[in-house]
Amino acid sequence: DTAVSQTPKYLVTQMGNDKSIKCEQNLGHDTMYWYKQDSKKFLKIMFSYNNKELIINETVPNRFSPKSPDKAHLNLHINSLELGDSAVYFCASSQRGTGFSEQYFGPGTRLTVT
Amino acid sequence: GQSLEQPSEVTAVEGAIVQINCTYQTSGFYGLSWYQQHDGGAPTFLSYNALDGLEETGRFSSFLSRSDSYGYLLLQELQMKDSASYFCAVTGAGKSTFGDGTTLTVKP
Repeated sequence: DTAVSQTPKYLVTQMGNDKSIKCEQNLGHDTMYWYKQDSKKFLKIMFSYNNKELIINETVPNRFSPKSPDKAHLNLHINSLELGDSAVYFCASSQRGTGFSEQYFGPGTRLTVT
Repeated sequence: GQSLEQPSEVTAVEGAIVQINCTYQTSGFYGLSWYQQHDGGAPTFLSYNALDGLEETGRFSSFLSRSDSYGYLLLQELQMKDSASYFCAVTGAGKSTFGDGTTLTVKP
């Protein structure tokens, strides 16, 4: 059973397009995250949702819009894609957002903008 | 804000012991965790320290000194499969902030 799944695994698209990445977790966790990992492998948090509510937005351009239809799903929609958006996007989940709880990462979505 | 420093690269030979250090500055500190990421893979959780001292899990151990804002990951009996990136992460203020990662290369 896959704990955190993401689709698609690879996404190649042109500048200016709009695309979405989907994430689902079957761990019963309350909190979900989106991370961006660039070519230098720096892993930066973008958003965090707790029980469908946005709790962290790390100064991400408003071209990025997360949506959580329920606590098991967190999708990421990106408008007007730019070259600098090329990266691997990881979804993650944890039991709770405050205090510590280990995070479980999805397999990642490699986005290439040409 | 939160900031972390860890070495960018470490090289060691099979069977050796290697220590990856992490220093941090943060507010609202809960603890320090470590994640491993193989090339092309996702980060996976290794360990977490909330209190000062050493936590051991098999060949891996993690240490924390809250007063020094410092921790390390110790890998013993290195194996080729330990070649990966290792990230320290500070948990506080409702989120985890990751360091820039240390690439460990294990040579035969």
